[in-house]
Amino acid sequence: EAEVAQSPRYKITEKSQAVAFWCDPISGHATLYWYRQILGQGPELLVQFQDESVVDDSQLPKDRFSAERLKGVDSTLKIQPAELGDSAMYLCASSGQTSYEQYFGPGTRLTVT
Amino acid sequence: QKEVEQDPGPLSVPEGAIVSLNCTYSNSAFQYFMWYRQYSRKGPELLMYTYSSGNKEDGRFTAQVDKSSKYISLFIRDSQPSDSATYLCATPQGTGFQKLVFGTGTRLLVSP
Repeated sequence: EAEVAQSPRYKITEKSQAVAFWCDPISGHATLYWYRQILGQGPELLVQFQDESVVDDSQLPKDRFSAERLKGVDSTLKIQPAELGDSAMYLCASSGQTSYEQYFGPGTRLTVT
Repeated sequence: QKEVEQDPGPLSVPEGAIVSLNCTYSNSAFQYFMWYRQYSRKGPELLMYTYSSGNKEDGRFTAQVDKSSKYISLFIRDSQPSDSATYLCATPQGTGFQKLVFGTGTRLLVSP
């Protein structure tokens, strides 16, 4: 069964350091999403790609967060510098033709100390 | 007011019980409603989705939408300890209805 892959699964970093997360969507899925999930809350969309183009990054803190999907396949989300409040689960999802059927990866749990 | 609201729980039930999980939403324009299951330290897993009003059944799970009251329900029959997880309701919105807006999730505990 096709799955969304993410790495690393866990990341501990000190504040002010840079951190990067990687996502490989389900093969053939043109749309890729990065969500952030704070403990006890539902996921919130950070950025959405359609192929290599950003469709929605209205909730992405652009002073410190960046995302790219250069070849329209895998994607990287970067935080620089990390802050204590960035501690959360970062989830990647992808969707095909039916955009509301989004499939999530296992997530990267980030702890900023 | 949040666009999708959910009681965070936890909801504790004995094995075999019928479970009712609920969400309310604010925007009558919402058309699709999804239920995701999330085990601890894992990503959300799409359980099922419904369009507009009515019921949809899949095995022990039934999703129900009441658009007149803006109420979404997920029923689990013959609940099992393996059903213990957080259940998230979500609805797509925005341009092209691609952005999922989630509730906070309800934590369900099914005891043997």
